[in-house]
Amino acid sequence: AQSVTQPDIHITVSEGASLELRCNYSYGATPYLFWYVQSPGQGLQLLLKYFSGDTLVQGIKGFEAEFKRSQSSFNLRKPSVHWSDAAEYFCAVGAPNTGNQFYFGTGTSLTVIP
Amino acid sequence: DTGVSQDPRHKITKRGQNVTFRCDPISEHNRLYWYRQTLGQGPEFLTYFQNEAQLEKSRLLSDRFSAERPKGSFSTLEIQRTEQGDSAMYLCASSLIGGGNYEQYFGPGTRLTVT
Repeated sequence: AQSVTQPDIHITVSEGASLELRCNYSYGATPYLFWYVQSPGQGLQLLLKYFSGDTLVQGIKGFEAEFKRSQSSFNLRKPSVHWSDAAEYFCAVGAPNTGNQFYFGTGTSLTVIP
Repeated sequence: DTGVSQDPRHKITKRGQNVTFRCDPISEHNRLYWYRQTLGQGPEFLTYFQNEAQLEKSRLLSDRFSAERPKGSFSTLEIQRTEQGDSAMYLCASSLIGGGNYEQYFGPGTRLTVT
Protein backbone atom coordinates (compact mmCIF):
# COMPACT_ATOMS: atom_id res chain seq x y z
CA ALA A 1 0.00 0.00 0.00
CA GLN A 2 1.10 3.52 -0.68
CA SER A 3 2.03 5.68 2.26
CA VAL A 4 3.92 8.84 3.04
CA THR A 5 5.60 9.51 6.37
CA GLN A 6 6.63 12.90 7.62
CA PRO A 7 8.29 12.06 10.93
CA ASP A 8 8.45 15.61 12.27
CA ILE A 9 5.06 16.93 13.32
CA HIS A 10 6.44 20.31 14.27
CA ILE A 11 9.75 22.09 13.70
CA THR A 12 10.95 25.43 15.04
CA VAL A 13 13.84 27.26 13.43
CA SER A 14 15.35 30.70 13.79
CA GLU A 15 15.03 33.13 10.93
CA GLY A 16 18.09 32.83 8.71
CA ALA A 17 18.83 29.27 9.78
CA SER A 18 18.76 26.33 7.39
CA LEU A 19 15.83 23.97 7.19
CA GLU A 20 15.31 20.33 6.31
CA LEU A 21 11.92 18.65 6.35
CA ARG A 22 11.87 14.88 6.06
CA CYS A 23 9.65 12.76 3.86
CA ASN A 24 9.74 8.99 3.42
CA TYR A 25 7.42 7.03 1.19
CA SER A 26 6.34 3.48 0.60
CA TYR A 27 5.38 2.71 -2.97
CA GLY A 28 5.57 -0.15 -5.44
CA ALA A 29 7.74 1.75 -7.89
CA THR A 30 9.37 5.15 -7.97
CA PRO A 31 6.44 7.52 -7.69
CA TYR A 32 6.10 11.10 -8.71
CA LEU A 33 6.97 13.22 -5.67
CA PHE A 34 5.72 16.62 -4.60
CA TRP A 35 6.02 19.15 -1.82
CA TYR A 36 3.17 21.53 -1.06
CA VAL A 37 2.87 24.38 1.43
CA GLN A 38 -0.32 25.41 3.18
CA SER A 39 -0.83 28.65 5.07
CA PRO A 40 -3.56 28.75 7.76
CA GLY A 41 -7.03 28.45 6.30
CA GLN A 42 -5.71 28.25 2.77
CA GLY A 43 -5.34 25.66 0.04
CA LEU A 44 -2.10 23.99 -0.96
CA GLN A 45 0.57 25.64 -3.09
CA LEU A 46 2.98 23.50 -5.09
CA LEU A 47 6.60 24.12 -4.08
CA LEU A 48 8.33 21.58 -6.30
CA LYS A 49 8.01 18.22 -8.00
CA TYR A 50 10.12 15.27 -9.04
CA PHE A 51 9.26 13.02 -11.95
CA SER A 52 12.61 11.69 -13.15
CA GLY A 53 16.14 12.73 -13.99
CA ASP A 54 18.27 14.95 -11.78
CA THR A 55 17.59 13.93 -8.19
CA LEU A 56 18.05 17.47 -6.86
CA VAL A 57 15.11 19.63 -7.85
CA GLN A 58 14.64 23.33 -7.40
CA GLY A 59 11.34 24.91 -6.53
CA ILE A 60 9.79 28.24 -5.75
CA LYS A 61 10.63 30.46 -2.80
CA GLY A 62 14.21 29.17 -2.63
CA PHE A 63 13.26 25.59 -1.73
CA GLU A 64 14.94 22.48 -3.07
CA ALA A 65 14.44 18.77 -2.53
CA GLU A 66 16.57 15.71 -3.06
CA PHE A 67 15.24 12.33 -4.13
CA LYS A 68 17.14 9.37 -2.69
CA ARG A 69 15.89 6.10 -4.13
CA SER A 70 17.89 3.93 -1.73
CA GLN A 71 16.27 5.63 1.25
CA SER A 72 12.81 6.15 -0.30
CA SER A 73 13.13 9.75 0.76
CA PHE A 74 12.39 13.16 -0.69
CA ASN A 75 13.56 15.72 1.84
CA LEU A 76 12.85 19.42 1.47
CA ARG A 77 15.56 21.96 2.21
CA LYS A 78 16.07 25.69 2.35
CA PRO A 79 19.40 27.31 3.16
CA SER A 80 18.01 30.37 4.94
CA VAL A 81 14.50 30.50 6.33
CA HIS A 82 12.38 33.66 6.27
CA TRP A 83 9.60 34.48 8.72
CA SER A 84 7.11 34.18 5.85
CA ASP A 85 8.00 30.48 5.48
CA ALA A 86 6.03 29.65 8.62
CA ALA A 87 3.31 27.29 7.40
CA GLU A 88 2.34 23.62 7.11
CA TYR A 89 4.32 21.53 4.64
CA PHE A 90 3.02 18.41 2.98
CA CYS A 91 4.85 15.75 1.02
CA ALA A 92 2.81 13.83 -1.55
CA VAL A 93 3.29 10.92 -3.94
CA GLY A 94 1.45 9.98 -7.09
CA ALA A 95 1.53 7.08 -9.51
CA PRO A 96 3.79 7.87 -12.47
CA ASN A 97 2.20 8.65 -15.82
CA THR A 98 -1.36 8.24 -14.58
CA GLY A 99 -2.67 11.49 -13.16
CA ASN A 100 -4.34 9.49 -10.42
CA GLN A 101 -4.85 10.70 -6.87
CA PHE A 102 -2.05 11.83 -4.62
CA TYR A 103 -1.23 10.34 -1.23
CA PHE A 104 -0.21 12.90 1.34
CA GLY A 105 1.76 12.79 4.54
CA THR A 106 0.36 14.21 7.75
CA GLY A 107 2.37 17.37 7.36
CA THR A 108 5.09 19.26 9.24
CA SER A 109 4.23 22.53 10.90
CA LEU A 110 7.06 25.08 10.68
CA THR A 111 7.46 27.88 13.17
CA VAL A 112 10.05 30.58 12.49
CA ILE A 113 11.33 32.59 15.43
CA PRO A 114 13.05 35.95 15.02
CA ASP B 1 -5.19 32.03 -15.32
CA THR B 2 -7.36 32.65 -12.28
CA GLY B 3 -6.53 29.42 -10.50
CA VAL B 4 -8.92 26.96 -8.90
CA SER B 5 -11.83 28.57 -7.09
CA GLN B 6 -14.22 27.09 -4.56
CA ASP B 7 -17.51 28.31 -3.20
CA PRO B 8 -18.45 28.80 -0.44
CA ARG B 9 -15.26 29.24 1.56
CA HIS B 10 -17.04 28.47 4.80
CA LYS B 11 -20.25 26.60 5.55
CA ILE B 12 -21.87 26.02 8.90
CA THR B 13 -24.78 23.63 8.91
CA LYS B 14 -26.81 21.63 11.36
CA ARG B 15 -26.58 17.90 11.52
CA GLY B 16 -28.95 16.24 9.10
CA GLN B 17 -28.96 19.07 6.57
CA ASN B 18 -27.71 18.74 3.00
CA VAL B 19 -24.85 20.88 1.69
CA THR B 20 -23.40 21.44 -1.76
CA PHE B 21 -19.99 22.80 -2.64
CA ARG B 22 -18.79 24.07 -5.99
CA CYS B 23 -15.36 23.92 -7.59
CA ASP B 24 -14.25 25.77 -10.71
CA PRO B 25 -10.97 24.34 -12.02
CA ILE B 26 -8.34 26.05 -14.11
CA SER B 27 -10.11 26.45 -17.44
CA GLU B 28 -8.15 24.09 -19.68
CA HIS B 29 -7.63 21.39 -17.07
CA ASN B 30 -9.24 18.04 -17.87
CA ARG B 31 -8.93 16.37 -14.45
CA LEU B 32 -10.65 17.50 -11.29
CA TYR B 33 -10.10 16.01 -7.86
CA TRP B 34 -11.83 16.27 -4.49
CA TYR B 35 -9.96 15.75 -1.24
CA ARG B 36 -10.95 16.04 2.40
CA GLN B 37 -8.63 17.37 5.08
CA THR B 38 -9.29 17.09 8.79
CA LEU B 39 -7.41 18.96 11.50
CA GLY B 40 -3.80 17.88 11.80
CA GLN B 41 -3.96 15.59 8.79
CA GLY B 42 -2.96 15.72 5.17
CA PRO B 43 -5.56 15.74 2.41
CA GLU B 44 -7.29 12.43 1.73
CA PHE B 45 -8.56 11.56 -1.71
CA LEU B 46 -12.31 11.36 -2.28
CA THR B 47 -12.89 11.19 -6.03
CA TYR B 48 -11.73 12.45 -9.39
CA PHE B 49 -13.06 13.21 -12.85
CA GLN B 50 -11.59 13.12 -16.31
CA ASN B 51 -13.70 15.64 -18.17
CA GLU B 52 -17.26 14.68 -17.15
CA ALA B 53 -16.51 11.05 -16.29
CA GLN B 54 -16.04 10.11 -12.65
CA LEU B 55 -13.12 7.67 -12.84
CA GLU B 56 -12.47 6.73 -9.25
CA LYS B 57 -14.10 7.01 -5.85
CA SER B 58 -12.47 6.43 -2.50
CA ARG B 59 -14.09 4.21 0.10
CA LEU B 60 -14.23 7.43 2.16
CA LEU B 61 -16.98 8.57 -0.19
CA SER B 62 -20.00 7.07 1.53
CA ASP B 63 -23.45 6.85 -0.03
CA ARG B 64 -24.26 10.25 1.47
CA PHE B 65 -21.67 11.88 -0.76
CA SER B 66 -22.16 12.52 -4.46
CA ALA B 67 -20.04 14.44 -6.92
CA GLU B 68 -20.75 15.59 -10.44
CA ARG B 69 -18.98 17.36 -13.23
CA PRO B 70 -21.81 17.64 -15.73
CA LYS B 71 -20.14 19.51 -18.57
CA GLY B 72 -16.56 18.70 -17.83
CA SER B 73 -15.95 22.12 -16.35
CA PHE B 74 -17.09 22.96 -12.81
CA SER B 75 -17.88 20.27 -10.26
CA THR B 76 -20.20 19.98 -7.30
CA LEU B 77 -19.84 17.87 -4.19
CA GLU B 78 -23.03 17.22 -2.23
CA ILE B 79 -23.24 15.77 1.25
CA GLN B 80 -26.66 14.55 2.31
CA ARG B 81 -27.77 14.20 5.94
CA THR B 82 -24.59 15.72 7.28
CA GLU B 83 -22.98 14.28 10.39
CA GLN B 84 -20.54 15.90 12.80
CA GLY B 85 -17.81 13.66 11.42
CA ASP B 86 -18.19 15.41 8.07
CA SER B 87 -16.68 18.57 9.54
CA ALA B 88 -13.50 19.14 7.55
CA MET B 89 -11.88 21.21 4.85
CA TYR B 90 -12.95 20.06 1.39
CA LEU B 91 -10.29 20.75 -1.20
CA CYS B 92 -10.63 20.73 -4.94
CA ALA B 93 -7.70 20.38 -7.31
CA SER B 94 -7.28 20.27 -11.05
CA SER B 95 -4.64 19.13 -13.47
CA LEU B 96 -3.95 18.95 -17.17
CA ILE B 97 -3.04 15.39 -17.99
CA GLY B 98 -0.84 14.91 -21.00
CA GLY B 99 2.40 16.32 -22.22
CA GLY B 100 4.19 15.24 -19.08
CA ASN B 101 2.10 17.39 -16.73
CA TYR B 102 0.85 15.64 -13.61
CA GLU B 103 0.93 18.26 -10.89
CA GLN B 104 -2.32 19.16 -9.20
CA TYR B 105 -3.30 22.74 -8.44
CA PHE B 106 -5.45 23.27 -5.39
CA GLY B 107 -8.19 25.70 -4.59
CA PRO B 108 -8.56 27.52 -1.25
CA GLY B 109 -10.96 24.91 0.10
CA THR B 110 -14.42 24.95 1.67
CA ARG B 111 -14.42 24.60 5.43
CA LEU B 112 -17.51 22.73 6.62
CA THR B 113 -18.63 22.83 10.22
CA VAL B 114 -21.51 20.57 11.23
CA THR B 115 -23.12 21.52 14.53
